[in-house]
Amino acid sequence: QKEVEQDPGPLSVPEGAIVSLNCTYSNSAFQYFMWYRQYSRKGPELLMYTYSSGNKEDGRFTAQVDKSSKYISLFIRDSQPSDSATYLCATVGLNRLAFGKGNQVVVIP
Amino acid sequence: EADIYQTPRYLVIGTGKKITLECSQTMGHDKMYWYQQDPGMELHLIHYSYGVNSTEKGDLSSESTVSRIRTEHFPLTLESARPSHTSQYLCASSLGVEQYFGPGTRLTVT
Repeated sequence: QKEVEQDPGPLSVPEGAIVSLNCTYSNSAFQYFMWYRQYSRKGPELLMYTYSSGNKEDGRFTAQVDKSSKYISLFIRDSQPSDSATYLCATVGLNRLAFGKGNQVVVIP
Repeated sequence: EADIYQTPRYLVIGTGKKITLECSQTMGHDKMYWYQQDPGMELHLIHYSYGVNSTEKGDLSSESTVSRIRTEHFPLTLESARPSHTSQYLCASSLGVEQYFGPGTRLTVT
């Protein structure tokens, strides 16, 4: 079983819409959860990380962890064309990061 | 912004050549990592280091080798490149759990 699962399907939304991205993880012992953003032909950059359960907000971005269902989410409010990128979830599993496959998000002006 | 650098950014090379991908960071991080990334796939850890003279193989079987003689430098070497090595190679470093990535090297082996 993979440590992190992320449905890699692309997502196109109109500018201003809310983007909702999700991942599931396998091990209830995992405590750190991260979201990375990767622009085309660049390395991933850390967007947000949360420890344990609950929500974390940073501007237009909200990361959410539901440990009861082993579900992690990222919400982008008022999406902008500059948010067009691939978003990867990650968790610290077995003393190293385990990544999802990433969701390509396109925000259409 | 993370200060981690990779060279070259792009490399096209013939089968059988020896290549070294360079990675340097100026943040003084003890931990460094090499990942391989193919389109639509997860990042796969191929090597990591927790400090000078410490290197370990990651989850993905790789024919590459690494060295860590200085804290800031973590080069990856392929002794004999093959077309199956065509991929994006990402270097990262960390102090805690968050990893900071370089821009990547896109390698094409013909």
